[in-house]
Amino acid sequence: DAGITQSPRHKVTETGTPVTLRCHQTENHRYMYWYRQDPGHGLRLIHYSYGVKDTDKGEVSDGYSVSRSKTEDFLLTLESATSSQTSVYFCAIGDKAAGELFFGEGSRLTVL
Amino acid sequence: SQKIEQNSEALNIQEGKTATLTCNYTNYSPAYLQWYRQDPGRGPVFLLLIRENEKEKRKERLKVTFDTTLKQSLFHITASQPADSATYLCALALNQAGTALIFGKGTTLSVSS
Repeated sequence: DAGITQSPRHKVTETGTPVTLRCHQTENHRYMYWYRQDPGHGLRLIHYSYGVKDTDKGEVSDGYSVSRSKTEDFLLTLESATSSQTSVYFCAIGDKAAGELFFGEGSRLTVL
Repeated sequence: SQKIEQNSEALNIQEGKTATLTCNYTNYSPAYLQWYRQDPGRGPVFLLLIRENEKEKRKERLKVTFDTTLKQSLFHITASQPADSATYLCALALNQAGTALIFGKGTTLSVSS
């Protein structure tokens, strides 16, 4: 299995609080991605990174920000969580743009 | 940007039959298209990649076709087994620059014995 870990795996928070999800990889892959998965919507791309300090928006980026200060870490931040951001968040890594992806186990976030 | 449609949310078949899943895209033809499998509570796992100049790709009991004229990929599982029950996702590049991958909503396959 690809060396990719997400933390926390589960989190419950209240509306309006900031939340940061971390994705850590040991594969030295250039590309890292954050997706959210919701019933009826499938897997949707939030933000992605194509190198240290290089990031771009995906399909559903509003309300989210990301940072990548090191190759191995990609952080997803919800500045002020809302109930609509309750979801399962998946991090993925790849060594080619839009190539084969390796996914983490997911982080389940509940915003009350 | 690209849009992906997986026509069936759910597909139920009997063990031993061939399952056929459909993936359609609406915009430009991507350089390649991928298929993933996702089990409940787990992240997706890569299965196959097919390039635009490949009509067909096989891996064990899996077969994928890619028709750029129809803007469609078909994913077949032959001699299906209950262990094949899962959600199958197709994926392709977000845009023509090919910087990221987007996914269809998936088709949940149930194989009954």
